[in-house]
Amino acid sequence: NAGVTQTPKFQVLKTGQSMTLQCAQDMNHEYMSWYRQDPGMGLRLIHYSVGAGITDQGEVPNGYNVSRSTTEDFPLRLLSAAPSQTSVYFCASSYGRGGHNIQYFGAGTRLSVL
Amino acid sequence: KQEVTQIPAALSVPEGENLVLNCSFTDSAIYNLQWFRQDPGKGLTSLLLIQSSQREQTSGRLNASLDKSSGRSTLYIAASQPGDSATYLCAAVNRDDKIIFGKGTRLHILP
Repeated sequence: NAGVTQTPKFQVLKTGQSMTLQCAQDMNHEYMSWYRQDPGMGLRLIHYSVGAGITDQGEVPNGYNVSRSTTEDFPLRLLSAAPSQTSVYFCASSYGRGGHNIQYFGAGTRLSVL
Repeated sequence: KQEVTQIPAALSVPEGENLVLNCSFTDSAIYNLQWFRQDPGKGLTSLLLIQSSQREQTSGRLNASLDKSSGRSTLYIAASQPGDSATYLCAAVNRDDKIIFGKGTRLHILP
């Protein structure tokens, strides 16, 4: 079982570049979310989606865009990368409403912005 | 605003000991409380989920308790093993579907 798959695993960007972090799940989960994990800050919610075509902002949405055109995919777009976006990004999914059931996490994308 | 705190930030115990990890939350109107494990360089793995109506959940050597009135949850690990070394995170799930994580407790089991 693939579960939640994130690509790429590592990425280095220059300030001002744009890129898309990919997240796909094969469990037919309605709820998907993106977090960033920074030392001393824990995991913070960026954006989440309760189903195809529906997205909403989390705790730290600025500088990031999302869309959910299919149940399986939930890409995270960095429009103009900044050094403050250097972090480890995790995608998660779950059945039903967010947090009501077990969350499944991807392995993460480690992003450095120079 | 929900805040989740985990103390201590790091803990080292000899192999074989029983241990307790603590999690506190400020808003008791939660939907559930979840415990996760994170190994270095990896994603999170769900360990236990306690619904707001429950007092505890058990899985093997792990037992998690929930006391909503005091805003506390504990994760009890029995007969610790070196393979239990990892960072343990708790997360409070609010009724608006937001999931708020603590910063974790880094556990090291000494062989």
